[in-house]
Amino acid sequence: EVQLVESGGGLVQPGGSLRLSCAASGFTTSSNYMSWVRQAPGKGLEWVSVLYSGSGGSTYYADSVKGRFTISRDNSKNTLYLQMNSLRAEDTAIYYCARSGVVVTAIATYWGQGTLVTVSS
Amino acid sequence: EIVMTQSPATLSVSPGERVTLSCRASQSVSSNLAWYQHKPGQAPRLLIYSASTRATGIAARFSGSGSGTEFTLTISRLQSEDFAVYYCQQYDNWPPVTFGQGTKLEIK
Repeated sequence: EVQLVESGGGLVQPGGSLRLSCAASGFTTSSNYMSWVRQAPGKGLEWVSVLYSGSGGSTYYADSVKGRFTISRDNSKNTLYLQMNSLRAEDTAIYYCARSGVVVTAIATYWGQGTLVTVSS
Repeated sequence: EIVMTQSPATLSVSPGERVTLSCRASQSVSSNLAWYQHKPGQAPRLLIYSASTRATGIAARFSGSGSGTEFTLTISRLQSEDFAVYYCQQYDNWPPVTFGQGTKLEIK
C-alpha cells in the first residue's frame, strides 16, 4: 500500500528556515516524480516543486519559491524533503507531498495528509 | 503561465442531483487536464486525468469531458460523501502545473 507521511511543519518567524520531510512506503521515491503542493488558509491548491525520477533527477520550482526552497530526496530513507529558507508570511500553508502517476507523470496519484507551516512573528 | 478558471465558486445541491462543474483554461491545454476532490482535513484525491479517464477506484458517477480550453466534471447522482471542493489542474507543457481556484459543492 502506498503511503506518504509528511512531518516537520511548525511555527517559524519570517526570514527563518524549516525542512519538511515526506516518508514514503509501498513504492520507491527515486522511481517516481515527487512533488510538493501547498494550500494557504482559505485558498486553493498551489504547486510548489517537483523532483524527477532517476539518479540525476531534475528539479523545478514555482516562481514564488524559486531561490528559497530546495527539493531533494534520500534514497536510503525513501524520503522526500523540502528545505524552506527565507520564509515569508505568504508561505503559511498546509504542505502536501505527492507521488506522480506512472504513465502521466504530471498528475498526483497519491497524496500525504499534509503538514502545517505557519510563518509569523 | 496558464490560468485555470473554475465556475461556479460554490454550488448548493441536493443529494441525488446531477451536477456539472466547469473549468476553463487561458490557452489550449489539449486533453492535459485532471480533476481532484478535496475534503477538509484530508489528502486531495485524484478523480480524472487526461480530461476523461477515471483514476483507479473512482466511481462511475464521476465523468470528465472537454478538450482545448473548456472542460467539465459531471457527477451523475450526488451522494453525501461527494460534498467537497473540486479542483481542475492543467499539465500541458509542464512544469509548472496550475490549479483552478476550486468549486465548493455544498448541501442545499
